[in-house]
Amino acid sequence: QVQLVQSGAEVKKPGSSVKVSCKASGGTFSSHSLSWVRQAPGQGLEWMGGIIPIFNVPSYAQKFQGRVTITADKVTSTVYMELSSLTSEDTAVFYCARDRGGSTFDYWGQGTLVTVSS
Amino acid sequence: DIQMTQSPSSLSASVGDRVTISCRASQTIRNYLNWYQQKPGKAPKLLMYAASSLQSGVPSRFSGSGSGTDFTLTISSLQPEDFATYYCQQSHSTPPTFGGGTTVEIK
Repeated sequence: QVQLVQSGAEVKKPGSSVKVSCKASGGTFSSHSLSWVRQAPGQGLEWMGGIIPIFNVPSYAQKFQGRVTITADKVTSTVYMELSSLTSEDTAVFYCARDRGGSTFDYWGQGTLVTVSS
Repeated sequence: DIQMTQSPSSLSASVGDRVTISCRASQTIRNYLNWYQQKPGKAPKLLMYAASSLQSGVPSRFSGSGSGTDFTLTISSLQPEDFATYYCQQSHSTPPTFGGGTTVEIK
């Protein structure tokens, strides 16, 4: 059974960066794309970007281009999402999700709450 | 980006009711449409993919239909565990985009 386990909650200052991890187990890590999805409090779901670890080439949503970096470590089966220049509007739960093909997300991490506050 | 619009944004229903949620895409997406269920404090869960295919392990009271721009998720007989928020998502084009969600509440 595929499991995605994310790092714990973070509190950050405006202007700083946050790096969230997502460790995969139980499946073929390298061959599936892993994406990051943001959910602001009480709001909907927003795709930020993804990466196929075997190719290690990320793809980003235009909205986050220049501010997000997604990387993968095939040795530890872990994907990272770093978001910079944080503002209060970045306060959200961030999910990693496995793309089984064609942007269909079949497994999700438990979510990581990032709070941006001065 | 393809815009996804869900209606209604919320509804109240009773156990045993038939519930229908609509989703409309801003341009044709053929059948590249997925549905997710999300309960408070939990990650979304894939229910349906390719508009009408049931994800493994999902009860058969869930069904999906539609193609092109208009889609529907139907719950044939609402159960207590079905009270949640439902999202549609297009997988036709990058970036994948989600509808605003429909919250199913207990009447």
